[in-house]
Order: sequence, then C-alpha cells, then structure tokens
Amino acid sequence: DTEVTQTPKHLVMGMTNKKSLKCEQHMGHRAMYWYKQKAKKPPELMFVYSYEKLSINESVPSRFSPECPNSSLLNLHLHALQPEDSALYLCASSRAQQRTEAFFGQGTRLTVV
Amino acid sequence: AQSVTQLDSQVPVFEEAPVELRCNYSSSVSVYLFWYVQYPNQGLQLLLKYLSGSTLVKGINGFEAEFNKSQTSFHLRKPSVHISDTAEYFCAVSDLDGGSNYKLTFGKGTLLTVNP
Repeated sequence: DTEVTQTPKHLVMGMTNKKSLKCEQHMGHRAMYWYKQKAKKPPELMFVYSYEKLSINESVPSRFSPECPNSSLLNLHLHALQPEDSALYLCASSRAQQRTEAFFGQGTRLTVV
Repeated sequence: AQSVTQLDSQVPVFEEAPVELRCNYSSSVSVYLFWYVQYPNQGLQLLLKYLSGSTLVKGINGFEAEFNKSQTSFHLRKPSVHISDTAEYFCAVSDLDGGSNYKLTFGKGTLLTVNP
C-alpha cells in the first residue's frame, strides 16, 4: 500500500472560519510533509514532521498550524485565512532520515472566500 | 543547498512522437534525483528515481531518464507519447535541510501537451 489519503478533497471556507485538513498513511513512514501549490507553480514546502516532531517550518504564517497526533496522521489546522491562501495543499510521506522518494496524496483544493 | 532547473516550461508534441524533458541540477557530492508527474487537479505521482547504480533509469508508463554527472543533467525521455501523457512534469532533488532531515526541492515544472 503506497497510498497517502487526504480529506477533504475540496474545501471552501470564509476568512473567519476554522477548518482542518487531514492526511493519513499506513506505509510506516516516519517523515510527513505539508506542501502548498499555487496554480502553474511547483509545490512549496511548508512543514516537515520527523518522528512526530516538527523539524522544519518554512516560515509559514501562524494562521496555519500543523499537528502530528501519531505516526500515521498529519493535520493542518486553518484559521483566519486570506484569499491568497487559496491553493492545492499536498501531504506527503517518506522514510525519515533517508533520501528516498516521497509519496504524495491527491491534495485538498482550498478556496478562501 | 541544491537547486533544479527545468529548461522548458512548455513542450508541445504530436502523438506517437518522441519527447525529452530537460532537467539540470546544481552539483553535489552525491545526488538523488526524481521525476514526478501531476495530472490536472491531482497530486504528484512518482515516475522514476535515481539513487545510485545504473545511470539509465526506467520508470512507469514507458518513461526513462539518464543521469549524467558530468553534465549535471537528468533528462526524461519517452520514445512514443500518448494523449494521456499530457500533464505537468516536475524534476526534484533530495537535499539535507542543514540538519538530519531530507526534503525535496522541485524544479518549476514542464507542461507536456500531446496533440493528436
């Protein structure tokens, strides 16, 4: 099973809403990632969790709050977002501390209105 | 830190023609390289990877790539494309973040459009 599952697939939220994106994998990977992708651009790294601890925060605004409750789950909590935060949010996982490939989910298409 | 340059932002090609998508990377002691494909409104799917060993790497859907250390390139090729190959293709390099964590750095992508 090389699947990374993201929910929901689509999300529309107002600027005052609070919502969460969820990601799950059962490959035994101990590194998990959040990427943001704008239209016609490559994915941009936001956060990296290694062994359930936040190891990289690429200077992401605090209105994005990641959480890794266990080795299979990764959440991204959203609050007070701006319209420019509308994008495809991708979750990925890989073996930790090894340079191997990352497996990506199908993404959540987020629209902030 | 390493970087990746995809030399063509768009490549139009006719069905059943061969195609090459070009990728160059900054030099390093050791390099791990990847090609991912992204279909519209979907996530990224790994096409192939170079970690070590043979410089000619075969991937899914009939794609292959050749690692060339002297030219710091990792070009993607397919001898005969199909309409279904129309997608965005990303070259990526695995890099240390300065600690013990690895992260992927992507090129800007190449949009392959296969026309009938």
